[in-house]
Amino acid sequence: GAVVSQHPSRVICKSGTSVKIECRSLDFQATTMFWYRQFPKKSLMLMATSNEGSKATYEQGVEKDKFLINHASLTLSTLTVTSAHPEDSSFYICSARSGDYGYTFGSGTRLTVV
Amino acid sequence: TQLLEQSPQFLSIQEGENLTVYCNSSSVFSSLQWYRQEPGEGPVLLVTVVTGGEVKKLKRLTFQFGDARKDSSLHITAAQPGDTGLYLCAGAGSGTYKYIFGTGTRLKVLA
Repeated sequence: GAVVSQHPSRVICKSGTSVKIECRSLDFQATTMFWYRQFPKKSLMLMATSNEGSKATYEQGVEKDKFLINHASLTLSTLTVTSAHPEDSSFYICSARSGDYGYTFGSGTRLTVV
Repeated sequence: TQLLEQSPQFLSIQEGENLTVYCNSSSVFSSLQWYRQEPGEGPVLLVTVVTGGEVKKLKRLTFQFGDARKDSSLHITAAQPGDTGLYLCAGAGSGTYKYIFGTGTRLKVLA
């Protein structure tokens, strides 16, 4: 089956620093990856769609310069939260899409900015 | 913007009871998925429905896609504590692979 590995699972960083989150498809090539944000006890909010080799497409209201997405290969997408602030604290989840396996989600990254 | 409203938002029931969760929208979806998510983990796909009126069963779970492809329901028979979790529907419009998630239903099944 399809497996998506997301790292780190938890990260605490100081306000003003940047944090990179990785999303890897381990046994399949993902043509498209998606990044979501989830607030406590809430649903998932789509942040951006990431296609290999091209610029990410951001949803309305998501700051491109704050949430940098790079999809350099068919198995890896990264989300960098730049100049993080406490309000960026959240649960970030990626999902990867392939023609054979459909959609598979990573296990998420809990970001806490102090 | 496509909005998916789920109801109820919260549900606490006794083991053995039946329940239905609804997912409604004013938009038409080419496909709709249901997920279950446990705390601190990513959502796990339960089912994908693509045809209006389609019914799919997964053990004690029955999923139905509305005839007009604007709504869906999830019915659980004889709920068990292991069914506890956040249930999410997600829909994609025609010509897109981008899924928008519903507001979520938090289910708790008491032993």
